[in-house]
Amino acid sequence: AIRMTQSPSSLSASTGDRVTITCRASQGISSYLAWYQQKPGKAPKLLIYAASTLQSGVPSRFSGSGSGTDFTLTISCLQSEDFATYYCQQYYSYLPITFGQGTRLEIK
Amino acid sequence: EVQLVESGGGLVQPGGSLRLSCAASGFTFSSYSMNWVRQAPGKGLEWVSYISSSSSTIYYADSVKGRFTISRDNAKNSLYLQMNSLRAEDTAVYYCARDLYSGSYFPDYWGQGTLVTVSS
Repeated sequence: AIRMTQSPSSLSASTGDRVTITCRASQGISSYLAWYQQKPGKAPKLLIYAASTLQSGVPSRFSGSGSGTDFTLTISCLQSEDFATYYCQQYYSYLPITFGQGTRLEIK
Repeated sequence: EVQLVESGGGLVQPGGSLRLSCAASGFTFSSYSMNWVRQAPGKGLEWVSYISSSSSTIYYADSVKGRFTISRDNAKNSLYLQMNSLRAEDTAVYYCARDLYSGSYFPDYWGQGTLVTVSS
């Protein structure tokens, strides 16, 4: 199975900050990577797929980049509603589909 | 509006069985592949199973292979997960999730989840 490792596991930031979350795959996955946002008690929400394609309706302050094994999710200007847990997911190998362990973004 | 509504969760003893259902509406269910994804309390996301739009392709995570069975009824716009030989480590919120497009292997819409608790 392809292992996805996110860093950091948790992050404290303030409204208006620019933050970057990293996701590393244990082997090359081309651009077959998605990012999700999850708030407590809620289902995950798709933010980005194909490493850098913004899902419809997602604010442009979210962006993704990378290919191969190293990927980043950047939030350019944090808003209060962005404090949540973020997960990456690879779909290069669907046996099995795997997620990163999550990055919890907290208010400083 | 796309809606996915899971049901069937609850408390079950180890070794027991449970059948989860997911009622889909607001889109052409038969045109989309579907997934079950679970999340243990306080933990991350774990993909459980995938089924193609026509049920011709089915995949399972190793952790549930041989114990869980995914199925769908396109006439009823419904997705199912039959869970047998349940273990404590199967305790989780189970989400039904629709792929962005058939065969994309990443979901865009998720249900609200149904909690399965395996405990004596």
